[in-house]
Amino acid sequence: GAVVSQHPSWVICKSGTSVKIECRSLDFQATTMFWYRQFPKQSLMLMATSNEGSKATYEQGVEKDKFLINHASLTLSTLTVTSAHPEDSSFYICSARDIDRISYNEQFFGPGTRLTVL
Amino acid sequence: GESVGLHLPTLSVQEGDNSIINCAYSNSASDYFIWYKQESGKGPQFIIDIRSNMDKRQGQRVTVLLNKTVKHLSLQIAATQPGDSAVYFCAETLYGQNFVFGPGTRLSVLP
Repeated sequence: GAVVSQHPSWVICKSGTSVKIECRSLDFQATTMFWYRQFPKQSLMLMATSNEGSKATYEQGVEKDKFLINHASLTLSTLTVTSAHPEDSSFYICSARDIDRISYNEQFFGPGTRLTVL
Repeated sequence: GESVGLHLPTLSVQEGDNSIINCAYSNSASDYFIWYKQESGKGPQFIIDIRSNMDKRQGQRVTVLLNKTVKHLSLQIAATQPGDSAVYFCAETLYGQNFVFGPGTRLSVLP
């Protein structure tokens, strides 16, 4: 149980285009999902916290107009990188918290999406 | 947060030996800590967790030690196997809010 999927797993796009990444909780409901970015040989950096039915909370330094987050249901959150540039190339990872395990702090991670912007 | 350098610390151990991976955390108020394993090109995988009211927790082949006095966390892997080769991250959180990850340690298991 507690499986999180991401789609696509790898995307290559041209500079200036927008890319949407999906994060789904497959066998549980998640009121909260987190979006992270990870550059090569570096740690995970939290970008934003996505709450179902409300606006996402962005970390300092993360442009909310560039990284659009939508958490329309208890099983799906999307991250759209708008007008992508080469410096946005990174590994994007989502995680989700199980609504039925709200007393626990554990989060379940997706497999990640590698974005390459040419 | 600020990323720490471009080169992960690396720990090399012989297959069958025990591994100890260390982590210094930043917030003395953090109440929950987790160790994750990340293989190349994959998302982090939960290994073991510990709450701040404990100082030791054991799992299968893994043990986590928490020293709140010096804000130090360690992961011990017994009888290290080739499949244990990966990057290991510690993470801390307070009330399950922001999860702050450490810089990571690359574990290489030598045959």
